[in-house]
Amino acid sequence: KQEVTQIPAALSVPEGENLVLNCSFTDSAIYNLQWFRQDPGKGLTSLLLIQSSQREQTSGRLNASLDKSSGRSTLYIAASQPGDSATYLCALLLYSGGYQKVTFGTGTKLQVIP
Amino acid sequence: EPEVTQTPSHQVTQMGQEVILRCVPISNHLYFYWYRQILGQKVEFLVSFYNNEISEKSEIFDDQFSVERPDGSNFTLKIRSTKLEDSAMYFCASGGGNQPQHFGDGTRLSIL
Repeated sequence: KQEVTQIPAALSVPEGENLVLNCSFTDSAIYNLQWFRQDPGKGLTSLLLIQSSQREQTSGRLNASLDKSSGRSTLYIAASQPGDSATYLCALLLYSGGYQKVTFGTGTKLQVIP
Repeated sequence: EPEVTQTPSHQVTQMGQEVILRCVPISNHLYFYWYRQILGQKVEFLVSFYNNEISEKSEIFDDQFSVERPDGSNFTLKIRSTKLEDSAMYFCASGGGNQPQHFGDGTRLSIL
């Protein structure tokens, strides 16, 4: 059974700081990994998708990496802003023989202080 | 930009009643999903749907639950004989495979 852990559970940083969020998983037989942000009381907004054959993806100030051998993904946020405050979730998609199953991490709640 | 839409945004139902949650996925997506998030807890996978049938379901998705794509655009989740512990946010998503999943804003289900 896939276990997905995100550490830390909460993080508070001053505006402008670069930061790294971590996502660890136990089963490396993933199809892809996706990072989301969730604002309070809202749905999930897709940030980045990394296919299992890829090592990293970049979008603006965000960079996500994937190391299947060590069971880790990181989300790097450069020059953090107060608007980045949200809960960040990683999700792993398993895809085998036509079936799909998704496992979400526990989330990291980020607060960027002005 | 196309988006996933869910209705209603909030549903209040008496325990034991049936509810139907509705979703309109992004039109060219092939995979559809339902998730649940109990207040303060992690997002939990319920079911994936592909080619008009269930692709995979979690242990949460028991006989109380069913999904349907009745008309080629809507994707519904039916919960029969609701229980207090069914109270949660329910999210629909579409995409999957090589495409990122896109989520709707969710339906808040409150069971009284």
